[in-house]
Amino acid sequence: AQTVTQSQPEMSVQEAETVTLSCTYDTSESNYYLFWYKQPPSRQMILVIRQEAYKQQNATENRFSVNFQKAAKSFSLKISDSQLGDTAMYFCAFSVVGFQKLVFGTGTRLLVSP
Amino acid sequence: GAVVSQHPSWVICKSGTSVKIECRSLDFQATTMFWYRQFPKQSLMLMATSNEGSKATYEQGVEKDKFLINHASLTLSTLTVTSAHPEDSSFYICSARDGSGGETQYFGPGTRLLVL
Repeated sequence: AQTVTQSQPEMSVQEAETVTLSCTYDTSESNYYLFWYKQPPSRQMILVIRQEAYKQQNATENRFSVNFQKAAKSFSLKISDSQLGDTAMYFCAFSVVGFQKLVFGTGTRLLVSP
Repeated sequence: GAVVSQHPSWVICKSGTSVKIECRSLDFQATTMFWYRQFPKQSLMLMATSNEGSKATYEQGVEKDKFLINHASLTLSTLTVTSAHPEDSSFYICSARDGSGGETQYFGPGTRLLVL
């Protein structure tokens, strides 16, 4: 079975600080994609960052970066210089190439305070 | 980035009526669209996968006669909740997969359904 585990139900951070959200996954496949999605109070799911499993280089998108450890099946998200607008639910997910479906974790609720 | 719209954003209906929700990919062709249901403070639950021009594939436990899905074109999929009951009240989200080869799903803004 393919699973995604987010062990931190809630996290909080102060504005301008850095926070890391954890994610581990389990799959026997070797070719897949990993994603972090953000769901703010509006409930719109927004793609934050994407990583191809065959790439060793960690993906970055402005203040967002990942630490992808393929052997450990770990895919953490680092948010630098946190902003109030980063307050949201963050979901880690992966998709096996050609399989189409996204497997989601249970989410981490992040609160950024002034 | 790719934009997916969903309409309506809010719907209130009486028990026994049917409700149709539309999902459109606005700036790309989506060979595959997905329908999810989300309960408060929970993750997304996949209901069905919809491929253009073919029948939808439903997840285990999802009644296909209850949740009718049509994917008539590369930019439009619809979900019809038939004979809605209060327990169908939920937040429904669609997503579209870019047909150019990427595995990324782009999500619509969701539809809040309240059945009285």
